[in-house]
Amino acid sequence: GIQVEQSPPDLILQEGANSTLRCNFSDSVNNLQWFHQNPWGQLINLFYIPSGTKQNGRLSATTVATERYSLLYISSSQTTDSGVYFCAPTGGGSNYKLTFGKGTLLTVNP
Amino acid sequence: DTAVSQTPKYLVTQMGNDKSIKCEQNLGHDTMYWYKQDSKKFLKIMFSYNNKELIINETVPNRFSPKSPDKAHLNLHINSLELGDSAVYFCASSQVAGKTEAFFGQGTRLTVV
Repeated sequence: GIQVEQSPPDLILQEGANSTLRCNFSDSVNNLQWFHQNPWGQLINLFYIPSGTKQNGRLSATTVATERYSLLYISSSQTTDSGVYFCAPTGGGSNYKLTFGKGTLLTVNP
Repeated sequence: DTAVSQTPKYLVTQMGNDKSIKCEQNLGHDTMYWYKQDSKKFLKIMFSYNNKELIINETVPNRFSPKSPDKAHLNLHINSLELGDSAVYFCASSQVAGKTEAFFGQGTRLTVV
């Protein structure tokens, strides 16, 4: 199955800083999603982005499917951005499942 | 209106018991999933149903049995619970299996004592 690597595994920022989270995957993809798991455990959809670039407020994401990576940008970070960020692609062909990376644990300090 | 809802949110039970977790989605999606999140936060697929048909059945003990009475519901029954079953279980749904955006429920934290 598809392999997913996220980096960095941990990231500590001061409020207001910018950051880039990376997701590398080993195969072609039909689908790729970024999620934020907040400290209460909820999995929140950030982006559905099998290719291209999308922006939503302070967050944006870019997937370059041909080079098998996706990036999540967080600008002007806030303490509420803390949590775990997961990348989850679905492999090509008849693969039906999202395969999750191990996540990036982000801590934003005031 | 919650799009994907699971009950219960918390479940504490003794080893050897049988328990069920229910999931319902009101998005009109055709595909539903169960994922397990372990203590290290790793999320792994367990099962998936498309229009009530099982399409994914990962290497999961036979004690776990999913049931989909209709495409809006996917329940998870666990027999003879073991300590190692303690985890957070997430239900999810998507319109087209593996090809459209998936939405997750709030999770059920299962603790086996």
